[in-house]
Amino acid sequence: AQSVTQLGSHVSVSEGALVLLRCNYSSSVPPYLFWYVQYPNQGLQLLLKYTTGATLVKGINGFEAEFKKSETSFHLTKPSAHMSDAAEYFCAVTLNTGFQKLVFGTGTRLLVSP
Amino acid sequence: EAGVAQSPRYKIIEKRQSVAFWCNPISGHATLYWYQQILGQGPKLLIQFQNNGVVDDSQLPKDRFSAERLKGVDSTLKIQPAKLEDSAVYLCASSLEASGRQFFGPGTRLTVL
Repeated sequence: AQSVTQLGSHVSVSEGALVLLRCNYSSSVPPYLFWYVQYPNQGLQLLLKYTTGATLVKGINGFEAEFKKSETSFHLTKPSAHMSDAAEYFCAVTLNTGFQKLVFGTGTRLLVSP
Repeated sequence: EAGVAQSPRYKIIEKRQSVAFWCNPISGHATLYWYQQILGQGPKLLIQFQNNGVVDDSQLPKDRFSAERLKGVDSTLKIQPAKLEDSAVYLCASSLEASGRQFFGPGTRLTVL
């Protein structure tokens, strides 16, 4: 069965600093990988996704992630953090089959200080 | 385009009581999902509907949880009777098709005392 591991339940950065949120996956077949963001009292919003093709995926709000098969990783990065980036971030995986059952990691809370 | 609507947004009940949550997906979306998100954890899929049929309910505690999607549009998730460990946010999502992008509602936060 597929699964994801997010290292670090909390990550703190200063405004303007690099953001790096880690995600490692486990899947017996080529996976589809996703990053979602959740702001307080709101639903999940898709940041970006990898299905096939280019391994560097660009998403909304300046975020990007790189699929590295050799490392089974899909880390999320942003060159310069903004205060508005403070939220909970979830990595998710699904198999590339017809019915898309998302399996989420436990989440990483990003804290941004001025 | 209107998003996924859920109600109520918050609910507090005592253990052994019953509770129901309602979800209205985006118009035209055939697939509907219910997730349970316990504090400090990622969302866990409870049940997935394709139109009004169940595709996956393998993680739904069927002794106390039930869900229906009559007419393939709105859906209701019920818990009867509730336990303390059911305290969580219940998220509804919908997608145009089974393999499509999922759009999430704001969730219903349930507290069981």
